[in-house]
Amino acid sequence: GAVVSQHPSWVICKSGTSVKIECRSLDFQATTMFWYRQFPKQSLMLMATSNEGSKATYEQGVEKDKFLINHASLTLSTLTVTSAHPEDSSFYICSARVQTVNTEAFFGQGTRLTVV
Amino acid sequence: GDSVTQMEGPVTLSEEAFLTINCTYTATGYPSLFWYVQYPGEGLQLLLKATKADDKGSNKGFEATYRKETTSFHLEKGSVQVSDSAVYFCALTNTLKNRDDKIIFGKGTRLHILP
Repeated sequence: GAVVSQHPSWVICKSGTSVKIECRSLDFQATTMFWYRQFPKQSLMLMATSNEGSKATYEQGVEKDKFLINHASLTLSTLTVTSAHPEDSSFYICSARVQTVNTEAFFGQGTRLTVV
Repeated sequence: GDSVTQMEGPVTLSEEAFLTINCTYTATGYPSLFWYVQYPGEGLQLLLKATKADDKGSNKGFEATYRKETTSFHLEKGSVQVSDSAVYFCALTNTLKNRDDKIIFGKGTRLHILP
């Protein structure tokens, strides 16, 4: 299957700083990318959907000013957690998809963010 | 709206046991159905998929059949291994209905296989 690379795989940052997570589709052009957050032993919570060249669509309850998403090209999307706080500590996962009918999405390996 | 319901875990089995993880869905139209697997500390991997009624997806000994009459997509494996221990997510996508192309996930079922 297609490969999605997410970087970094883990990061520790100080409270109040910003952290950027990258998601790249390595061997296909992703018209749509998704960002999820996963709490321990829980399912994935969709945070936002982004299409290349347009603004991301955020799910209800997700602060767009705190979680900045940029989908600058067909192979790269970034999630920036701004002014991080300990409650932002979580596992963040991206996925990418080619926008045809009912195709599966391919997932990155996830980023473990710890805010201290 | 569209939804996916899967059996709650954790499911604990002995090695070589038969596995079934139930999944039912609610959706209009003709969704595609997926099973994803998540190993500890990793992202999700597509395990298998089915795009139309009566299709059977299979991979690594796992199988699931798209049953439109019962709106189900149960995951089965005849003989599980310790290495199958993971969290399994049933999911659907219904692009023709959801213009934003969301994939809808079940809550996940944690599987423990004992040696």
